[in-house]
Amino acid sequence: QVQLVESGGGLVKPGGSLRLSCAASGFTFSDYYMSWIRQAPGKGLEWVSYIDSSSSFTNYADSVKGRFTISRDSAKNSLYLHMNSLRPEDTAIYYCAGISPSGWFFDLWGRGTLVTVSS
Amino acid sequence: EIVLTQSPGTLSLSPGERATLSCRASQIVKYTYLAWYQHKPGQAPRLLIYGASSRATGIPDRFSGSGSGTDFTLTISRLEPEDFAVYYCQQYGSSPWTFGQGTKVDIK
Repeated sequence: QVQLVESGGGLVKPGGSLRLSCAASGFTFSDYYMSWIRQAPGKGLEWVSYIDSSSSFTNYADSVKGRFTISRDSAKNSLYLHMNSLRPEDTAIYYCAGISPSGWFFDLWGRGTLVTVSS
Repeated sequence: EIVLTQSPGTLSLSPGERATLSCRASQIVKYTYLAWYQHKPGQAPRLLIYGASSRATGIPDRFSGSGSGTDFTLTISRLEPEDFAVYYCQQYGSSPWTFGQGTKVDIK
């Protein structure tokens, strides 16, 4: 069955870095545009970034632009989020999500990985 | 950026009752590009509705979506025990894509 499994979350100090990974299985990963979405404690969902199927195009929310980098390795069926210059407001559960071929909505989701930015 | 405001924040209902959730946008959502998701604690969110009214694969027909412009509604015709969760709307007609803050449907 379709699975997206995130990993790499943890506790990091402000200004630090972290790399999140998302392992995909059960679907043709190389055909899918992919995205990261986060949820801060007690808040709603916030789209963070997306990457197209060939890694030719990426886009970022203004809140993370210049600090986060999305990438993918289709040979490994994996999606990544490199996070630099982390701030306390980046504390959130980070979800890996697949963007539907039918439109810019998310039809595949993982369970998320928690990132905590605190000194 | 389009701000989505969901109401009510919490809806307390009993199994078998009808649930009506609202999502209001600060600007017109182009092409009715609005989706609804269900999210239970510790689980992956699940796509319910896209294009304002099209059910995603495998979604029971007790879930229906309607609306256009700035006002959208998710209706659950008869609540089943597994439907108690948080529901989010999302617009994908304009960048950046944005979500509402969620409506929690809990057991009365």
